[in-house]
Amino acid sequence: SYELTQPPSLSVSPGQTATITCSGDRLGSHYVSWYQQRPGQSPRLLIYQDSKRPSGIPVRFSASNSGNTATLTINGAQTTDEADYYCHLWHSSTAYVFGSGTKVTVL
Amino acid sequence: QVQLVESGGGVVQSGTSLRLSCTASGPNFKSYGMHWVRQAPGKGLEWVGFIGYDGSGENLGDSVKGRFSISRDNSKNTLNLQMKTLRPEDTAVYYCAKWGGNDGVDIWGQGTMVTVSS
Repeated sequence: SYELTQPPSLSVSPGQTATITCSGDRLGSHYVSWYQQRPGQSPRLLIYQDSKRPSGIPVRFSASNSGNTATLTINGAQTTDEADYYCHLWHSSTAYVFGSGTKVTVL
Repeated sequence: QVQLVESGGGVVQSGTSLRLSCTASGPNFKSYGMHWVRQAPGKGLEWVGFIGYDGSGENLGDSVKGRFSISRDNSKNTLNLQMKTLRPEDTAVYYCAKWGGNDGVDIWGQGTMVTVSS
């Protein structure tokens, strides 16, 4: 089955840049989406088609996908960005799969 | 704007069945596929299953295949998750979510909690 691997956690200071990776075999050949889940809330779509932001998502969130790694970047992290972040894709061997999730702490 | 509301969660004994529902408000429910995603306490998101816009193309994750099934009633804007032979490891918050195709899972419900006691 196909697996997506993310670092379990990372910490960033307010105003600094956080980079979250998502690794999988030939990940760059698939569309990746990213989701943010704040404590006690449902997930919400942050990025789709590797790098596109839905309306209402701040421009400080950006993403890319190439080779075996997709990357979500938070430029100028804010305390409201403290959340769990998940990558996601559709794969022919596993259907839909979520990454293991990354807990981002802003302090 | 589409809104999704899950219902049917609760506390059940291991080995029993439970049916969850998800009601969609807003236009065009019959035009998009739907997912079920779950999250065990303190754990990450786990994809449970998917159903196409017209009820075809049901696809279930390995951990629930053979025990769970998904259906929908487009005349009632309702999505269902039938869960059988429940196990303690099925304990989770269950979310229904709208599939936007290449646009990702773009709308999520608030979730309903299922607790399976042994």
